[in-house]
Amino acid sequence: QKEVEQDPGPLSVPEGAIVSLNCTYSNSAFQYFMWYRQYSRKGPELLMYTYSSGNKEDGRFTAQVDKSSKYISLFIRDSQPSDSATYLCAMGSTGFQKLVFGTGTRLLVSP
Amino acid sequence: ETGVTQTPRHLVMGMTNKKSLKCEQHLGHNAMYWYKQSAKKPLELMFVYNFKEQTENNSVPSRFSPECPNSSHLFLHLHTLQPEDSALYLCASSRTTGQGNQPQHFGDGTRLSIL
Repeated sequence: QKEVEQDPGPLSVPEGAIVSLNCTYSNSAFQYFMWYRQYSRKGPELLMYTYSSGNKEDGRFTAQVDKSSKYISLFIRDSQPSDSATYLCAMGSTGFQKLVFGTGTRLLVSP
Repeated sequence: ETGVTQTPRHLVMGMTNKKSLKCEQHLGHNAMYWYKQSAKKPLELMFVYNFKEQTENNSVPSRFSPECPNSSHLFLHLHTLQPEDSALYLCASSRTTGQGNQPQHFGDGTRLSIL
């Protein structure tokens, strides 16, 4: 079993849709959870950073962590064509210097 | 300049060539990382440096040789590479290591093609 599972997509949605991107993980030691956005020919850009369980909102983006289910989500409201990118989840824990990344989900938002 | 800068952006080399990738961060961070990104695979951590000391070598072949002269600069020296080494090489930095609560900030990578 992979340490982090993420559907590679592509996920195609019309402009204005609500998008849900998800990752599951197996290591219960993970405490810190991140979402990165990667545009074509660019490096990953940190979007959201959360600790432990709960929700965090930043503009149109909401990150949700359910540690009991080992499941994290990123919601994008009112999706725009400029949101078309690959979204990577990443996670880590105190005393553990590696971040573990998912494979990324490619999102396509059509006008 | 701000953030993490990588040069060159693209590199094509033959299997017998020697070249180097450069990374510079302007974030005041103390930890720097090299990752390999291949299609449909998770990011593969290669090396970690913390305060200029190498703290992780993730079983990387010796044809990849890192160098970290100070906390702001990181190099990856390449020699006798194989076609399967063609990938996007990403540099990242964070405040320090050993704490999972340190988000990493990435450069835009060097796209490497081995002929």
